[in-house]
Amino acid sequence: DTAVSQTPKYLVTQMGNDKSIKCEQNLGHDTMYWYKQDSKKFLKIMFSYNNKELIINETVPNRFSPKSPDKAHLNLHINSLELGDSAVYFCASSRDMDSYNEQFFGPGTRLTVL
Amino acid sequence: AQSVTQLDSQVPVFEEAPVELRCNYSSSVSVYLFWYVQYPNQGLQLLLKYLSGSTLVKGINGFEAEFNKSQTSFHLRKPSVHISDTAEYFCAVSPPISGGSNYKLTFGKGTLLTVNP
Repeated sequence: DTAVSQTPKYLVTQMGNDKSIKCEQNLGHDTMYWYKQDSKKFLKIMFSYNNKELIINETVPNRFSPKSPDKAHLNLHINSLELGDSAVYFCASSRDMDSYNEQFFGPGTRLTVL
Repeated sequence: AQSVTQLDSQVPVFEEAPVELRCNYSSSVSVYLFWYVQYPNQGLQLLLKYLSGSTLVKGINGFEAEFNKSQTSFHLRKPSVHISDTAEYFCAVSPPISGGSNYKLTFGKGTLLTVNP
C-alpha cells in the first residue's frame, strides 16, 4: 500500500497550458505539503495545509493554486505554465504540525514544460 | 530564520569504505535536525533525526549522525557503505515549534553519494 501517492508521475506539456497534479495520503495525517525540486535537486516548500486549512504559502506565483478537498488529498493546479515551472513536484504529509514529526514523501511528479 | 549548508555536493567512495557527509546549520534558536535520503527516481525518506538528548543519533540502514552544538554541525556517517547506499542525501532543519506558519523544514542543497565497486 502506497502511503503518499501522486498522479501523474510524468507530465509533459506546452507553455501556456493549465495542468493539475493530485496527491493522496492514506496515513491518516493532518498536515500535507507541496515541495518543488529544481534541476539542481534543491528542495523548497511551496505550500502546507493542516486539516484542509492553508498554513504556509511561500513566495509562489499565484498561477499555482493548491486545493485540499479533504484531509487526505492535496491537489496542485498550475495555470499558464512557463518554462521555469519545469521541475519535480513532491507531495508530503506528516501526522500534525509538530516540527519533530517525520514527513512522508510521495514519489514525485516530473513536470516538463516545452 | 534557519539555513543549512551541505559542504560537499558530491562524495564518491568505494564499497565497504567509511563515509561522512557534512552538514552545518545556522539558527538564532535551538533546532531540530534531520537527514533524509532520496534514492534515484524516488521521494525522500527519513534516515534519522535529532530532537534533544544524546548527541549521537542512530538511524536506518546503519547510518548515524552526531549533533555538535558548538560547531553547529550534524554530520552523517556510515562505517562501511554498500552499492545500494548510492543516493542523494539531504540535511534539514526546523524550529522546535508546534503549528503555525513558522513551521517548515529548510533543506540543504543535497550531497550525492556515489558508491563504486
